[in-house]
Amino acid sequence: AQSVTQPDIHITVSEGASLELRCNYSYGATPYLFWYVQSPGQGLQLLLKYFSGDTLVQGIKGFEAEFKRSQSSFNLRKPSVHWSDAAEYFCAVGLWDSSYKLIFGSGTRLLVRP
Amino acid sequence: GAGVSQSPSNKVTEKGKDVELRCDPISGHTALYWYRQSLGQGLEFLIYFQGNSAPDKSGLPSDRFSAERTGGSVSTLTIQRTQQEDSAVYLCASSPQREDGYTFGSGTRLTVV
Repeated sequence: AQSVTQPDIHITVSEGASLELRCNYSYGATPYLFWYVQSPGQGLQLLLKYFSGDTLVQGIKGFEAEFKRSQSSFNLRKPSVHWSDAAEYFCAVGLWDSSYKLIFGSGTRLLVRP
Repeated sequence: GAGVSQSPSNKVTEKGKDVELRCDPISGHTALYWYRQSLGQGLEFLIYFQGNSAPDKSGLPSDRFSAERTGGSVSTLTIQRTQQEDSAVYLCASSPQREDGYTFGSGTRLTVV
């Protein structure tokens, strides 16, 4: 069955440090891939998406992600984390079964140390 | 509107009561989705609308859950005879076309006591 795995439930980084959040998917074809961020009490905001083409995609707020087909991964990165980046991050795969829908990972909560 | 609007933002209900949750998608977005987010969990797909029809209801957890969409716009998710396990944040999202990313509303936090 198709699935999305975010192996890290929590990650803590110091402000100004680099960040990488991991995402692995299980899907036969090349999927559509997304990263969303959810701040406390808020809905989800789209950070970036990958459909095809260049495997390194740039998003909002200085985030980027790289699609690696050989590793079935779509990891999210940021070179220098700001305190305002503290939130929950969700990776999602767009796939077709009975219809098109996004399947989400269980999320990674990012904590930022001052 | 400018974004996806959901109401109410919070709802506390007694076990056994019926509740209705409303979603106002972005104007012109033909695809509309409902998801459920339980405490500490990811997002669980409930139902997908394309226009007014729901080609995929596979995520509705029981026949106590139903949803409709009218005028290709507003959608209502109804939960009958609520149970404590229905407590969650219910998120609505819309999209201009199926393969695009979604725009989410802020959700309705449902608490069944």
